[in-house]
Amino acid sequence: GAGVSQSPSNKVTEKGKDVELRCDPISGHTALYWYRQSLGQGLEFLIYFQGNSAPDKSGLPSDRFSAERTGGSVSTLTIQRTQQEDSAVYLCASSSLWTRLNTGELFFGEGSRLTVL
Amino acid sequence: GNSVTQMEGPVTLSEEAFLTINCTYTATGYPSLFWYVQYPGEGLQLLLKATKADDKGSNKGFEATYRKETTSFHLEKGSVQVSDSAVYFCALTGTGANNLFFGTGTRLTVIP
Repeated sequence: GAGVSQSPSNKVTEKGKDVELRCDPISGHTALYWYRQSLGQGLEFLIYFQGNSAPDKSGLPSDRFSAERTGGSVSTLTIQRTQQEDSAVYLCASSSLWTRLNTGELFFGEGSRLTVL
Repeated sequence: GNSVTQMEGPVTLSEEAFLTINCTYTATGYPSLFWYVQYPGEGLQLLLKATKADDKGSNKGFEATYRKETTSFHLEKGSVQVSDSAVYFCALTGTGANNLFFGTGTRLTVIP
């Protein structure tokens, strides 16, 4: 697609439920990133994919968080047994190898706003 | 480690005022530095960047100079417009460029 697409744009869930957030990167972009943006906080790095593998998952805050990427394209971030502190905007970004090495630029989606009641 | 410290907001300015948003960083090696902007209802987008010391990034009237001696990358604009109202994020790429480290963001509101 023309840009990074994320769904759903808004998700309200009850504490303890599982949620899945989807990211469809720009076509041909091999690098994919997930960030979390909490109120009053900066963007917190969660995980980075190169192709289908995740060489850096150091930012995942707990084992309730997991992510996968299939076919070198779409990625899903799963949060199990959601807690209120998981409420945030989850941002996905993608980049081509050339862009990442030469400019460092990432292309961001509009985010998925998660509210845990 | 790598980190970015950004000026606290929010910042409210009148149209045509001068803007400075401070950003300082801590990094190992030689990072690249960025300013990203998030307009209301939109995703983050790159505003400008600088990849080595003394480089000046510029775009849409905004400028920032990579100062290694003061580890800073302050964002400036000589005359802001209402359309500049947004949240501005300072960021750096660490060695290996596997991710960007972001500051907390500064919300700018420009009033007519």
